[in-house]
Amino acid sequence: AQSVTQLDSQVPVFEEAPVELRCNYSSSVSVYLFWYVQYPNQGLQLLLKYLSGSTLVKGINGFEAEFNKSQTSFHLRKPSVHISDTAEYFCAVSESNTDKLIFGTGTRLQVFP
Amino acid sequence: EPEVTQTPSHQVTQMGQEVILRCVPISNHLYFYWYRQILGQKVEFLVSFYNNEISEKSEIFDDQFSVERPDGSNFTLKIRSTKLEDSAMYFCASSAWTGAAGELFFGEGSRLTVL
Repeated sequence: AQSVTQLDSQVPVFEEAPVELRCNYSSSVSVYLFWYVQYPNQGLQLLLKYLSGSTLVKGINGFEAEFNKSQTSFHLRKPSVHISDTAEYFCAVSESNTDKLIFGTGTRLQVFP
Repeated sequence: EPEVTQTPSHQVTQMGQEVILRCVPISNHLYFYWYRQILGQKVEFLVSFYNNEISEKSEIFDDQFSVERPDGSNFTLKIRSTKLEDSAMYFCASSAWTGAAGELFFGEGSRLTVL
């Protein structure tokens, strides 16, 4: 069965600092990987996704993530965060034969001035 | 920009009552979903719907739950007899294509509180 682990429930960081939000997954078959962001009182918005090809995926708002098959990881990174990046970030996985997303528990990114 | 809209944004109900949560997916989308998030827990898949039938459902989606697309624009989730543990944020999503290649667009959620 698939599962997603986001080890950090909260990540505090100062503005303009780099950040990495960690995500590990487990699955016995090929997977697709996603990062979603949830701003306060809003729905989930897709940041980026990995389906195949280049393991470095670039998304919106300057975020990127790298798929590492040997470590079963898909960590999200941004070189310089902004106050407006404060939100909840969810990693998700989907197996190739289903359209069901399995989400992690989320990481709350808090950016301080 | 087209968006998924959900109503109500918040509903409070008594245990045992029926609840209907409504969603208007993006107009040219064909695949529809409900997810829920119990406070402090992960977002969980409930059901996917295509061509007027359920294509996949989770073990959470028992006989108390049903979905319907009554008029070609709305997509509803009905809970027949609510329980305390149904209290959660319910998210509707839609997609133009099936599978991971199709990006899911989520609504802002409907918060259900069961007393």
